[in-house]
Amino acid sequence: EAQVTQNPRYLITVTGKKLTVTCSQNMNHEYMSWYRQDPGLGLRQIYYSMNVEVTDKGDVPEGYKVSRKEKRNFPLILESPSPNQTSLYFCASSLRGVTNNSPLHFGNGTRLTVT
Amino acid sequence: GQNIDQPTEMTATEGAIVQINCTYQTSGFNGLFWYQQHAGEAPTFLSYNVLDGLEEKGRFSSFLSRSKGYSYLLLKELQMKDSASYLCAVKDRGSTLGRLYFGRGTQLTVWP
Repeated sequence: EAQVTQNPRYLITVTGKKLTVTCSQNMNHEYMSWYRQDPGLGLRQIYYSMNVEVTDKGDVPEGYKVSRKEKRNFPLILESPSPNQTSLYFCASSLRGVTNNSPLHFGNGTRLTVT
Repeated sequence: GQNIDQPTEMTATEGAIVQINCTYQTSGFNGLFWYQQHAGEAPTFLSYNVLDGLEEKGRFSSFLSRSKGYSYLLLKELQMKDSASYLCAVKDRGSTLGRLYFGRGTQLTVWP
């Protein structure tokens, strides 16, 4: 089944403890992206990647890192999480950028709580 | 970034028709998407418009007017399962292929 898989679905951690949220897609998509979703603010892009070893900042990249060593994986790294990074995170992918015949496919989300 | 506006909440009854509006301001419009998101779930793609006019897909239609910076999503024959948040997202020509800007979403509640 074609899908975007994020893990974990739920994560509670403490301030400053490094964590990684994994994202994997099995559709051979070139483009992958991370979003966070907060009440009243909608979806905001954190980082995106056009292809292997090509990444760029979105609207809210501070406090996050990403890597794209393989086409299928795009992990989100929080080196020193803080409470303001408590949010619902979505990974998404598309075949080739965001085009009319290449809509975003979203993972099921990761709800992160930083205490 | 972009300035994308949509109503925060709407309500309607089963079987009715509802129109969810989206206005946007962008330096170089290059397409508008509508996504549906049920509570606690991932957004799913509904429609895409890049040229003016109406795109119809079953019970759902989406309209675009580029000169007015305006789009709407029309939902006909509403069903309870249509209760969800509807997200308008705009792609900017000035960006790379990778930037899509989302509105804050419209929470639609369908009553029996």
